[in-house]
Amino acid sequence: GENVEQHPSTLSVQEGDSAVIKCTYSDSASNYFPWYKQELGKGPQLIIDIRSNVGEKKDQRIAVTLNKTAKHFSLHITETQPEDSAVYFCAASREPGTYKYIFGTGTRLKVLA
Amino acid sequence: DAGITQSPRHKVTETGTPVTLRCHQTENHRYMYWYRQDPGHGLRLIHYSYGVKDTDKGEVSDGYSVSRSKTEDFLLTLESATSSQTSVYFCAISGDRLNTEAFFGQGTRLTVV
Repeated sequence: GENVEQHPSTLSVQEGDSAVIKCTYSDSASNYFPWYKQELGKGPQLIIDIRSNVGEKKDQRIAVTLNKTAKHFSLHITETQPEDSAVYFCAASREPGTYKYIFGTGTRLKVLA
Repeated sequence: DAGITQSPRHKVTETGTPVTLRCHQTENHRYMYWYRQDPGHGLRLIHYSYGVKDTDKGEVSDGYSVSRSKTEDFLLTLESATSSQTSVYFCAISGDRLNTEAFFGQGTRLTVV
């Protein structure tokens, strides 16, 4: 069945360093890849997304890259801050806005001050 | 924040009892979803709705039913709760295909004893 693998499951970085989270998807028809951030006791919140016709997208300190050939996509956070500490989920979908989000298992990021 | 309210936020129930969780939105969005979140599994889709009285199954639908009689309300029912249904349940909403972001509620923590 369709699957999204996410690594690592936990990640600790020093404040100011970069963090990279990687995902691999199995459904070659996937064409929309959102990233969600979940803070303790809250629901996931979209932080950035990318469509299959784009290789990279940036939003301030956050960037996402997509390699459709390898079916890999990654989240890059630069100049990490303590408030970046959270659980991050990647997801893959065949169509934006529809139900078919297959989520990764999550990465707990800790930014050490 | 998107107008999504889940109720109750916490519930403890006994095995074999029926339980209904409610999701209420004020965004007039077409799509509504119920996910469950468990350690090591990320978020998994239970059921979704693409309009009033239009619902379909997700990847983990066994033991759950849903109803949507109004645009703003999406109910998730556990007909006879089991310990394996102990989880955190999230409701999400999204608009039509041009609106890519899915907004999540705050979650309901359900414990079945």
